[in-house]
Amino acid sequence: GAGVSQSPRYKVTKRGQDVALRCDPISGHVSLYWYRQALGQGPEFLTYFNYEAQQDKSGLPNDRFSAERPEGSISTLTIQRTEQRDSAMYRCASSLGVAQQSTDTQYFGPGTRLTVL
Amino acid sequence: GEDVEQSLFLSVREGDSSVINCTYTDSSSTYLYWYKQEPGAGLQLLTYIFSNMDMKQDQRLTVLLNKKDKHLSLRIADTQTGDSAIYFCAEKKGNTGKLIFGQGTTLQVKP
Repeated sequence: GAGVSQSPRYKVTKRGQDVALRCDPISGHVSLYWYRQALGQGPEFLTYFNYEAQQDKSGLPNDRFSAERPEGSISTLTIQRTEQRDSAMYRCASSLGVAQQSTDTQYFGPGTRLTVL
Repeated sequence: GEDVEQSLFLSVREGDSSVINCTYTDSSSTYLYWYKQEPGAGLQLLTYIFSNMDMKQDQRLTVLLNKKDKHLSLRIADTQTGDSAIYFCAEKKGNTGKLIFGQGTTLQVKP
């Protein structure tokens, strides 16, 4: 597609439920990133992949959060046993080259707004 | 630390210049970015500057970097109402892929 797409755009769930957020990067982009953005704040790094390999997951808040990118394209961010504090905008980005290349630009998707009741 | 700080709000009149400021703490940052976020939209990359540069100009946008003071600014000339948005600065670590964002500056442009 023309840009990074994410689905669903909005997700409302009850506390304790699991949710899966999907990111479809720009075609051919090697690297994929997940960020979380609370209201009134800037995006906060969660994790990133080069191809299918998860390179850095230091930003994942706890072990309820996990991400995968099994075929090096689409990625899923899964939150288990959701809590109200997980409510935020979850943003995905992709870049053309491997993430460590300093010249590479990250292009962001529209985000998934998660609300945990 | 990994702090990037910005002032929260700026209001200007249409046609004036806007200057949005940002400070960062990590001297190993190699690239610094400015992103624009409009309501209901994703983050749009505006421009970026390499850490060995002092200035970069791109049409109405001018980025100034003072590496000694770890200070970055974005100047928008002839500000238009369509420039009203939240502007984020971000730094990229030299050997990682992650971006560290500031909390954003809301730019309000009055007609």
